[in-house]
Amino acid sequence: AQRVTQPEKLLSVFKGAPVELKCNYSYSGSPELFWYVQYSRQRLQLLLRHISRESIKGFTADLNKGETSFHLKKPFAQEEDSAMYYCALSPLSNTGKLIFGQGTTLQVKP
Amino acid sequence: DGGITQSPKYLFRKEGQNVTLSCEQNLNHDAMYWYRQDPGQGLRLIYYSQIVNDFQKGDIAEGYSVSREKKESFPLTVTSAQKNPTAFYLCASAETGLNTEAFFGQGTRLTVV
Repeated sequence: AQRVTQPEKLLSVFKGAPVELKCNYSYSGSPELFWYVQYSRQRLQLLLRHISRESIKGFTADLNKGETSFHLKKPFAQEEDSAMYYCALSPLSNTGKLIFGQGTTLQVKP
Repeated sequence: DGGITQSPKYLFRKEGQNVTLSCEQNLNHDAMYWYRQDPGQGLRLIYYSQIVNDFQKGDIAEGYSVSREKKESFPLTVTSAQKNPTAFYLCASAETGLNTEAFFGQGTRLTVV
């Protein structure tokens, strides 16, 4: 079965602290993986995708096929990073399907 | 103004009634999706469509139906067979192919009384 698991419902850190939002996936092939973010009162939007190997707003995510993980990291959290973060998977065998995890709320305290 | 529009924002219905949620996009995207968002459960895929006149069931399709008669539109009907229809519903669209970004609507909150 194709599944995305985000084990933490809430992650609370102080400003300037490192952040790691965990994402594990279950898929037998090679997936496409994404992180989406929803800021307060805004639409859900793409943050980054693994294929691009990019850093957006200081966030990076590395695909670890051995551990089937795609954790989102930022070395120094900012208050404006507070939001709901979703990890998502699109199977290469069916690029029309997009599966999301349960989401993690990141709270960055001043 | 390009984008994806869901209407209405809030919807109230009596138990046992069917209700249809609207989703329209002018991004010329082939793929469209419906998700249900419940607290603690994230976004669960109800139905998706990769092309006009074709759609596939997602993980929680029971009690829902969709149509895709036009590229721009992907309405979702919540039928009386859906046991727990009160939820927040999100529609999205994307280009088909690899590594494409999904664009989301603002959502519709359905409350069944």
